Amino acid sequence: GESVGLHLPTLSVQEGDNSIINCAYSNSASDYFIWYKQESGKGPQFIIDIRSNMDKRQGQRVTVLLNKTVKHLSLQIAATQPGDSAVYFCAEKVEGYSTLTFGKGTMLLVSP
Amino acid sequence: GAGVSQSPSNKVTEKGKDVELRCDPISGHTALYWYRQSLGQGLEFLIYFQGNSAPDKSGLPSDRFSAERTGGSVSTLTIQRTQQEDSAVYLCASSGDRGKPQHFGDGTRLSIL
Repeated sequence: GESVGLHLPTLSVQEGDNSIINCAYSNSASDYFIWYKQESGKGPQFIIDIRSNMDKRQGQRVTVLLNKTVKHLSLQIAATQPGDSAVYFCAEKVEGYSTLTFGKGTMLLVSP
Repeated sequence: GAGVSQSPSNKVTEKGKDVELRCDPISGHTALYWYRQSLGQGLEFLIYFQGNSAPDKSGLPSDRFSAERTGGSVSTLTIQRTQQEDSAVYLCASSGDRGKPQHFGDGTRLSIL
């Protein structure tokens, strides 16, 4: 039978739409957060990061929002393109520690 | 090279054999990390190196797993007496220091028959 682990949350959008990918993180002591993009057969690629003393950070076509009150992180992608199709992971790091804890990932599918 | 390099990119071996996976981090990066990713899953932390020492090896799943780093650069992850549940993609990442993003290689896809 199928493994539950294969069923990633999936977001399907049309090319040109804005996409929002959400992540609930686990540790209130986390002070650093990163979003990664992973294409099939490739390693995770850094997209954008944010520290806990900020609630918003913008990059090129991407914005990360941090809500520490509810331990929620989101990645907004403007004018989504087919090349944005990938699995997106959020990761958190606790102050004083060096390792990242990764979320399960969300698959983004962009239709032309 | 400019990025993290891992070799081999694919490895197929029989159950019970030992395997050695290699990671070349970005030049000058002092921190190096190994992760494991099973099909459709997130990344599972294995071990962290700062220079040649491993202050955090809490993620190694059993004593069959070991890793070393020499010269503050290349790292090898060794799995002894491989089992089928070891099948996964093994990813290596490096960073300039603890406050900087980790940059990943493309991984070694390990298949145990």
